[in-house]
Amino acid sequence: AQKITQTQPGMFVQEKEAVTLDCTYDTSDPSYGLFWYKQPSSGEMIFLIYQGSYDQQNATEGRYSLNFQKARKSANLVISASQLGDSAMYFCAMRGNYGGSQGNLIFGKGTKLSVKP
Amino acid sequence: DVKVTQSSRYLVKRTGEKVFLECVQDMDHENMFWYRQDPGLGLRLIYFSYDVKMKEKGDIPEGYSVSREKKERFSLILESASTNQTSMYLCASGHRVTSPLHFGNGTRLTVT
Repeated sequence: AQKITQTQPGMFVQEKEAVTLDCTYDTSDPSYGLFWYKQPSSGEMIFLIYQGSYDQQNATEGRYSLNFQKARKSANLVISASQLGDSAMYFCAMRGNYGGSQGNLIFGKGTKLSVKP
Repeated sequence: DVKVTQSSRYLVKRTGEKVFLECVQDMDHENMFWYRQDPGLGLRLIYFSYDVKMKEKGDIPEGYSVSREKKERFSLILESASTNQTSMYLCASGHRVTSPLHFGNGTRLTVT
């Protein structure tokens, strides 16, 4: 069965420092997508970054990068130069064609990131 | 930019009322989803749709129904609202199964 594991319920980081949020996944499907979403206290789910299972290069989007290690089934999010506005819940998620689900997102439980000034 | 719009940000309804949550997307996405999010339970899929007039049950469909009469619009219906349906409801849409889902701003529903 497909599963996403985020082992860090909460993390603290000093402003302007880099932080890594951990994510491991489990699937037997060869084709899948891995995503990170940010959810501020206001509640909206903001898409940050995407990595396809066949992508050779690690994805990057501005200050966000995804450290994709396929053999280890890990997809860690790295945020460089943290800002106060980065304080939020972060969810790792996976999407694939699980039994005709049309790509339902499987979410981890999330990591609450707090950026200290 | 992809835009997914949910009709209400906050909603307060009484037990037994019929409640409509509307979601509209502007990117011609085939797939649309309704989730609810509760503390400690994470995001759970209620229903999804992969085409106009097509719908499939997710993990927790009881007490809900959906309607997709047009490709851009996916409505969630609470037939008779109950207090245990107090939650954050999130609508999402996307293309093929390995591309990102884009979410609306969410609707915080309180049933009293």
